[in-house]
Amino acid sequence: DSGVTQTPKHLITATGQRVTLRCSPRSGDLSVYWYQQSLDQGLQFLIQYYNGEERAKGNILERFSAQQFPDLHSELNLSSLELGDSALYFCASSGSWGGNEQFFGPGTRLTVL
Amino acid sequence: ILNVEQSPQSLHVQEGDSTNFTCSFPSSNFYALHWYRWETAKSPEALFVMTLNGDEKKKGRISATLNTKEGYSYLYIKGSQPEDSATYLCALGGGGADGLTFGKGTHLIIQP
Repeated sequence: DSGVTQTPKHLITATGQRVTLRCSPRSGDLSVYWYQQSLDQGLQFLIQYYNGEERAKGNILERFSAQQFPDLHSELNLSSLELGDSALYFCASSGSWGGNEQFFGPGTRLTVL
Repeated sequence: ILNVEQSPQSLHVQEGDSTNFTCSFPSSNFYALHWYRWETAKSPEALFVMTLNGDEKKKGRISATLNTKEGYSYLYIKGSQPEDSATYLCALGGGGADGLTFGKGTHLIIQP
C-alpha cells in the first residue's frame, strides 16, 4: 500500500459524458501527478500540481482539467468523453517536484461505452 | 519529446537464473532515472531513483546501474523467483517540475 488513494476504482460511462476522478496523496506529500495508461500506450504523464498550483503539463487534452485543493487532494475532470479515453488513470504523489520517487495509487479504470 | 527505450519487450527466465534488461535514454540534459516494478492488477512500485553517472543501487536481489554519458541503465535480478514476475518500467525524470517519461517496459515471466 503506497498511501495514495484513488476513487472510484472503476467507472463506466457513455460518450459525451463528464466524470471526475479523485486522488488523495500520501500524508505530507505536496506534489500530485496524473498519468494515463491506454491499451496501446505506455504510462503517459498528464499534469502535475504542487501545493495547489499547476507545475507542469504533459499530454493532457483540452477536454481534461485538474485541480489540487487546499487539503492537497486532487481531482481530474474528463469531459466530452470519447471511446478513446477508456484507460487506467493513475495518480502519484511525491514529497517535492522532480527527482524524487513517486508513489502511485491503485488507479481508476475508466470505460467509455 | 524524450524517447525512453526498453529492451527486451518481454523475457522468460527459469527460476533460479539471473537476468538483466536495458533502459536507453537521451544522454543530454539528464536529471534522474527511475525504475519501477509493476505487478498485474497492482500499481507501479518504485525500485530506484538514480541521478549520478556510475550510480549503482541494490535492493535485495535486484540492482541497477546508470551510465548517463552513454544514456543507458541496466536492471539486474539475481536468482529469479516467481514473485519477480512483473513488468519493469524505467522512466526519465525532468529537473524541476516535470512528470516522468516512461518506457514501455520489460515484461518478465519467471518459469518454475
